[in-house]
Amino acid sequence: QKEVEQNSGPLSVPEGAIASLNCTYSDRGSQSFFWYRQYSGKSPELIMFIYSNGDKEDGRFTAQLNKASQYVSLLIRDSQPSDSATYLCAVPGGNNRLAFGKGNQVVVIP
Amino acid sequence: NAGVMQNPRHLVRRRGQEARLRCSPMKGHSHVYWYRQLPEEGLKFMVYLQKENIIDESGMPKERFSAEFPKEGPSILRIQQVVRGDSAAYFCASSPIQGATGNTIYFGEGSWLTVV
Repeated sequence: QKEVEQNSGPLSVPEGAIASLNCTYSDRGSQSFFWYRQYSGKSPELIMFIYSNGDKEDGRFTAQLNKASQYVSLLIRDSQPSDSATYLCAVPGGNNRLAFGKGNQVVVIP
Repeated sequence: NAGVMQNPRHLVRRRGQEARLRCSPMKGHSHVYWYRQLPEEGLKFMVYLQKENIIDESGMPKERFSAEFPKEGPSILRIQQVVRGDSAAYFCASSPIQGATGNTIYFGEGSWLTVV
């Protein structure tokens, strides 16, 4: 079983709508969770991290964590064309490394 | 304060040649990580180094790949006898402390290797 799974295919949302991304993880002991945004041809950029069950909001982004069900979600409200990117979920693995999901591509349609 | 610097940004090699990718961590950072991103894939951990030490190389292919982080100079990821399957983006990251989590790890802009 992969450490982090993001199974959804590309997500197309109209401008102004909410984009919803999900990520599941295998290690029940995971304590922290990260969402990265990666534009095509660029490096990953940390946009959200969450440690506690529940919601964490930062601007138009909301991360939701459910440790009992072992999933973490990212909501992007009022989606803008500049949000078109691939979003990567990550959890710490052993020895300081990060384990990343495959990523979900988001396309915001003007 | 300069970020994580990687060079070259783009590298083309013929099959069988060697590729050397360099990474200078952020100032004050002594922990370096290399990740590989194959086309349409997420980032995969390769190796974690501190100065003059390899801490975790569990993600490194067993052959042809090596990494170092000397006392002086940048970290180097070396790929010998490259094959087409090595074509990928290679990202370096650095952190200032042991026990780093995602919010203290900073990524470089990446080196894109194309093997022809």
